[in-house]
Amino acid sequence: AQTVTQSQPEMSVQEAETVTLSCTYDTSESDYYLFWYKQPPSRQMILVIRQEAYKQQNATENRFSVNFQKAAKSFSLKISDSQLGDAAMYFCAYRSGETSGSRLTFGEGTQLTVNP
Amino acid sequence: DSGVTQTPKHLITATGQRVTLRCSPRSGDLSVYWYQQSLDQGLQFLIHYYNGEERAKGNILERFSAQQFPDLHSELNLSSLELGDSALYFCASSVAGYRDTQYFGPGTRLTVL
Repeated sequence: AQTVTQSQPEMSVQEAETVTLSCTYDTSESDYYLFWYKQPPSRQMILVIRQEAYKQQNATENRFSVNFQKAAKSFSLKISDSQLGDAAMYFCAYRSGETSGSRLTFGEGTQLTVNP
Repeated sequence: DSGVTQTPKHLITATGQRVTLRCSPRSGDLSVYWYQQSLDQGLQFLIHYYNGEERAKGNILERFSAQQFPDLHSELNLSSLELGDSALYFCASSVAGYRDTQYFGPGTRLTVL
């Protein structure tokens, strides 16, 4: 079974600075997808970014980018120019690319605090 | 706003009772997924429906059941409720299946007293 590990329960960053959240995963599959979801105090789960394992290029979405290291099974999220609204719980998630792989497997989450 | 709606937002009930949580997927989405978020278990996948048919089951208790109706909305039924069932229940939807991004609803907060 696939597992996702987020080793940083809490992180903090100064407004306008850059922060990197770590995620590692374990899988024997070659076709899969990785995601970062954000959960602010409202508890809504919001998609931040998605990475297909077959793509070598790291995904970017505005101030959010990932460092996808397939051989190391590492998938970190970099937030640039941090804003107060980025404060949230961030979850890394894995999804199989096989036909039976409909579920998302989540890590434990990293609580990000943004200091003004 | 993801386009996925869930009702009710909050539900408070007693042990032994039965409740129904409702989810309407985004327009055009055929797949609905249910997840449970609790303090001790984290975010756990419960079940996946595609166009009315069950496609995958996760760690869903026998006391829990779900279905997806012809209009594609889904209901999660929780019965013989226990204190440990208190959690945030999310519904997510995607266009079709395993290669599509899942978009989450706002969740239903269930409190069992």
